[in-house]
Amino acid sequence: GAVVSQHPSRVICKSGTSVKIECRSLDFQATTMFWYRQFPKQSLMLMATSNEGSKATYEQGVEKDKFLINHASLTLSTLTVTSAHPEDSSFYICSAVAGEGTYEQYFGPGTRLTVT
Amino acid sequence: AQKITQTQPGMFVQEKEAVTLDCTYDTSDPSYGLFWYKQPSSGEMIFLIYQGSYDQQNATEGRYSLNFQKARKSANLVISASQLGDSAMYFCLSGSEKLVFGKGTKLTVNP
Repeated sequence: GAVVSQHPSRVICKSGTSVKIECRSLDFQATTMFWYRQFPKQSLMLMATSNEGSKATYEQGVEKDKFLINHASLTLSTLTVTSAHPEDSSFYICSAVAGEGTYEQYFGPGTRLTVT
Repeated sequence: AQKITQTQPGMFVQEKEAVTLDCTYDTSDPSYGLFWYKQPSSGEMIFLIYQGSYDQQNATEGRYSLNFQKARKSANLVISASQLGDSAMYFCLSGSEKLVFGKGTKLTVNP
């Protein structure tokens, strides 16, 4: 099946620094990728929809200047958490859709971000 | 807006028995997909099964089957012959372009 990778799997950073998380579709081209955030013992919350070659669409309440998304190619989307604060600590998961006409999303393994 | 309801925050089942995880959805889209994903403690989301809104037959994937009742807007997951490794969080999802998640059900399989 289709494989999506995320890097890094875990990252610890100091408050005020920026962190970049990569999401790659390894064996398929993904015109659309999604970024989710998951707090402990809660469901995933959609943050934004990332389309290749265009600006991301953010969900209500998600700060686009804080969570920068770049979908530079059909296999790579990046999420940059700028000026991270402890409340940004969370589990971030991306997913990718393998082409038009399909609903199935392939999820990455997730990135655990801890801001100290 | 779409909405997914999973009414069972936690479920327990004995090993080798079957268990049903409930899911109801609410959507105005004429065409949509229904998914079940499993999330073990390690965090990754594992695809289990998919049902299209126009599919006439209930989806099955190995020990997983989806009891799709369109008129009742329910898409319950049935796991047969439970295994200890089935212990995890289970999420029901619905959507066409964007997926909507339920709150999840924590399944514990007892030996």
